[in-house]
Amino acid sequence: EAGVTQFPSHSVIEKGQTVTLRCDPISGHDNLYWYRRVMGKEIKFLLHFVKESKQDESGMPNNRFLAERTGGTYSTLKVQPAELEDSGVYFCASSQEGEAFFGQGTRLTVV
Amino acid sequence: LAKTTQPISMDSYEGQEVNITCSHNNIATNDYITWYQQFPSQGPRFIIQGYKTKVTNEVASLFIPADRKSSTLSLPRVSLSDTAVYYCLVATSGTGFQKLVFGTGTRLLVSP
Repeated sequence: EAGVTQFPSHSVIEKGQTVTLRCDPISGHDNLYWYRRVMGKEIKFLLHFVKESKQDESGMPNNRFLAERTGGTYSTLKVQPAELEDSGVYFCASSQEGEAFFGQGTRLTVV
Repeated sequence: LAKTTQPISMDSYEGQEVNITCSHNNIATNDYITWYQQFPSQGPRFIIQGYKTKVTNEVASLFIPADRKSSTLSLPRVSLSDTAVYYCLVATSGTGFQKLVFGTGTRLLVSP
């Protein structure tokens, strides 16, 4: 069974550019989460989807971040425009009835 | 969500048993205690989850006293590959909702 997959694994962009991260959850998992770890900090919750609906987006840092999950399958997280402080590792996770399974993460570097 | 406190780091040797204790004084009735493991350049990986008493799986054991204000993750006979960061978290479970609050974790170093 395929796990949670994230694309790309690494992304280097210039300040002011746009980047879109993608997450494919485990098939059949209704819950999808985005987390991130910025340099030197702890992993922080960003938001939670149940199918295509946003259940909790309390962790989204500001309106430069937009997450979507059209059709309740894969999800995208767009950062527009990117700032230097957005650099970090973005993790996606999914769950159904039990524990959350995490992807490998996308390392975003904004220069 | 309950905040957890655990040692920043621990050192061990191959073949030893490692016990990592976590405090969660404000744990709520509906909260479960969950442990994740994370290797460099990978996402966190679920190890074990429990509500009270003792839970054991093929990887680890989890000991939870009656008051549930702390828990201990026990790794039997560690190997070099167990070197990783271990996170203790509490989360409301049962519905599949896993809004996890990560702390600093415990960095375990296993030496030969």
